[in-house]
Amino acid sequence: EPEVTQTPSHQVTQMGQEVILRCVPISNHLYFYWYRQILGQKVEFLVSFYNNEISEKSEIFDDQFSVERPDGSNFTLKIRSTKLEDSAMYFCASSMREGTDTQYFGPGTRLTVL
Amino acid sequence: AQSVTQPDIHITVSEGASLELRCNYSYGATPYLFWYVQSPGQGLQLLLKYFSGDTLVQGIKGFEAEFKRSQSSFNLRKPSVHWSDAAEYFCAVGALGGATNKLIFGTGTLLAVQP
Repeated sequence: EPEVTQTPSHQVTQMGQEVILRCVPISNHLYFYWYRQILGQKVEFLVSFYNNEISEKSEIFDDQFSVERPDGSNFTLKIRSTKLEDSAMYFCASSMREGTDTQYFGPGTRLTVL
Repeated sequence: AQSVTQPDIHITVSEGASLELRCNYSYGATPYLFWYVQSPGQGLQLLLKYFSGDTLVQGIKGFEAEFKRSQSSFNLRKPSVHWSDAAEYFCAVGALGGATNKLIFGTGTLLAVQP
């Protein structure tokens, strides 16, 4: 069964450093998402992406964050200058269509900012 | 405001006992509803979803959920719990036919299963 994959599974970085989290969505999906889950808190929506542009973003997704689909398979989340409060599990998801379609989630990348 | 409430943070049941996990939502548009499960170190796996039609939906691993519009609830049930069901369960809501694709999640319910 096709699945969403994410790399790395765990990333440790120093505050102020740039990080790139990578995701490979399911191959025939068209809509891509990033969510995050701070330890002990709920899963929160960050951004959705379709047709090579952001379709929606949350208030969390400020200028420090960016997303890109650099080729036909990868979908990346970049944090330019990490803060301690960026430490969280970051989930990538994809869906074939918008609206009612099911979003399939990857296993997550745990980001630890020291 | 749009929100999902899972009132039970932690539940412990005995293996073989029945299970009900509660989920209440507040959503202005017609909702579509999901239950996801997260095992330790794993991602979010879809258990079941409700879009329309029959308000009792069946999912994987023997789970079911019932949509009750009058109570704004979408509770998850299983008649007989297995030790492998120990995990964290998340209820989520999205907009049916709305302009947004984002899912709003509850805080999760951590299920422990006693032998």
